[in-house]
Amino acid sequence: DTEVTQTPKHLVMGMTNKKSLKCEQHMGHRAMYWYKQKAKKPPELMFVYSYEKLSINESVPSRFSPECPNSSLLNLHLHALQPEDSALYLCASSPPTGTEHYEQYFGPGTRLTVT
Amino acid sequence: AQSVTQPDIHITVSEGASLELRCNYSYGATPYLFWYVQSPGQGLQLLLKYFSGDTLVQGIKGFEAEFKRSQSSFNLRKPSVHWSDAAEYFCAVGFPGGGADGLTFGKGTHLIIQP
Repeated sequence: DTEVTQTPKHLVMGMTNKKSLKCEQHMGHRAMYWYKQKAKKPPELMFVYSYEKLSINESVPSRFSPECPNSSLLNLHLHALQPEDSALYLCASSPPTGTEHYEQYFGPGTRLTVT
Repeated sequence: AQSVTQPDIHITVSEGASLELRCNYSYGATPYLFWYVQSPGQGLQLLLKYFSGDTLVQGIKGFEAEFKRSQSSFNLRKPSVHWSDAAEYFCAVGFPGGGADGLTFGKGTHLIIQP
């Protein structure tokens, strides 16, 4: 099973709202990623978790707060977002080490609209 | 510095015709190479990968890619395209030991299929 699931599929939120995006995988991968993708652009890396610990934060604003409660789950908590944060948010996973570490499997994404 | 280039932003191909999408990278050693496909509003699906060994790799959906070290290229090919192949295609590269974690994506090539 190479499936990564993400919920919700679509999310509309106001700038004062608090919401969360969820990601789940059951491939036994111990590296998980959040990407942001604007229209007609490649994905941009936001966060990397390795063995449930945050290993990379690509200078993402604090209004985005990641959480990895266990080896299968990854959350992205959203608070006080701006309209320019509207994008497709993608979750991915991979083995944490070795050549396969670079072989990432992506979820279908959450389409976020900030009003 | 490591980089990935997809020279073609858009490519239009007639249904049934052959396809080649170009990808070039800049790196001092052999990287790990991937092609992903993304349908509108969807996540990224892994088409094929190259780590080492045979330089011609087969993927899903009838795609293949050839690694050419002398040209620093990893071009994606399909002998006969179908209307369902219309999508965005991303070349992605992992640079082991290059100091960056995970994948570096090209800007993508938008494939249009003409009837």
